[in-house]
Amino acid sequence: DIVMTQSPDSLAVSLGERATINCKSSQSVLYSSNNKNYLAWYQQKPGQPPKLLIYWASTRESGVPDRFSGSGSGTDFTLTISSLQAEDVAVYYCQQYYTTPFTFGPGTTVDIK
Amino acid sequence: QVQLVESGGGVVQPGRSLRLSCTASGFTFSSYGMHWVRQGPGKGLEWVAVIWYDGSNKYYADSVKGRFTISRDNSKNTLYLQMNNLRAEDTAVYYCARDYYDRTTYAPVGYWGQGTLVTVSS
Repeated sequence: DIVMTQSPDSLAVSLGERATINCKSSQSVLYSSNNKNYLAWYQQKPGQPPKLLIYWASTRESGVPDRFSGSGSGTDFTLTISSLQAEDVAVYYCQQYYTTPFTFGPGTTVDIK
Repeated sequence: QVQLVESGGGVVQPGRSLRLSCTASGFTFSSYGMHWVRQGPGKGLEWVAVIWYDGSNKYYADSVKGRFTISRDNSKNTLYLQMNNLRAEDTAVYYCARDYYDRTTYAPVGYWGQGTLVTVSS
């Protein structure tokens, strides 16, 4: 199974400042035949189901603010919130869909400093 | 719009069984792979199972393999999760979720239901 890890476990950022979350997979999730990374990011606010933010490691879902961006390839990925807003307080998860089981990272909690 | 409504959760004793259902609407159910994902109290997300859009393949997390069965009835737009030999560690909110893309097999999860709570306790 592919093991997903995230760092940090939590972070507190001032409003308007940058937040960076890292995700690492135990093996590459880059599919060579189409050069796509099978990696998604989700946001979960308290009491709500998760919401898809980013897929193919860097493609922003429709309606997601452009302050959210994803980067990385192979085994190392990053979710960046360029200018943190109050409504971004949430837990963020990465997930690989390269192979079953489609494992999630443990989550990173983002809060306001 | 896409709607996924889970039902069937509740309190069950260890070793017993429970069947969850997820009724889908707002899209062509038979064209999408479907997942179950769970979240224990205060814990992160755990992917449980997936069934291909045509039902031809099913895959499970190691933690539920041999005990849980995912199935679908495309005529009823309904996804199921049969859970047998339940354990305390199966206590969680169970989310029904849909693939982002139709007629594909490896895709991100695009839509989620609100979840149904399963509590395994004596």
